[in-house]
Amino acid sequence: QSALTQPPSASGSPGQSVTISCTGTSSDVGGYNYVSWYQQHPGKAPKLMIYEVSKRPSGVPDRFSGSKSGNTASLTVSGLQAEDEADYYCSSYAGNVVFGGGTKLTVL
Amino acid sequence: QITLKESGPTLVKPTQTLTLTCTFSGFSLSTSGVGVGWIRQPPGKALEWLALIYWNDDKRYSPSLKSRLTITKDTSKNQVVLTMTNMDPVDTATYYCAHSPPYSSGWFGLNWGQGTLVTVSS
Repeated sequence: QSALTQPPSASGSPGQSVTISCTGTSSDVGGYNYVSWYQQHPGKAPKLMIYEVSKRPSGVPDRFSGSKSGNTASLTVSGLQAEDEADYYCSSYAGNVVFGGGTKLTVL
Repeated sequence: QITLKESGPTLVKPTQTLTLTCTFSGFSLSTSGVGVGWIRQPPGKALEWLALIYWNDDKRYSPSLKSRLTITKDTSKNQVVLTMTNMDPVDTATYYCAHSPPYSSGWFGLNWGQGTLVTVSS
């Protein structure tokens, strides 16, 4: 079971939108609607931002949205804010769990 | 309020067995659908899923580490224990436990512990 593929970095200016991709296979991302996304600030534990492809836990701003097409899932952050600068990880559940390699989001 | 906290040794020697305990409150691991997983993160690197256990004692392991891992639960103590054998310096990482709620058929970490750094060195 290989790690999901994410771009190592992404960036955007305050107020802009940025999309982070997460590519797997038909055995994980493409086969199930169990993709989740986590935000991690330096020295902190990950925080769940999206689960089951597009659902937001209570308390997560609606600036964060998720989607999926085929074997690729995406996290979009709209209206970028300085506090959105963090590492983002995708994950897929298909009986077992697999994470992506992470994307460092920089707010310019 | 759901909380989780990892505990265990901060330093282990190569070839030793690591035992980590996740002590939680605010939910029961006897509730249908609930799961607790272990995830680690080497310094400066990505998250890596290790294992998870469900309320019904269903256990899942990372295929690459399966031979070294054992996950158990003690429902009465609200604890989940992970053991990893034959530790190596590459296993140096922050180890997290995370709770998955009962309202999904999949697993995702809704609530996380603060993590515990384990260093493997002689």
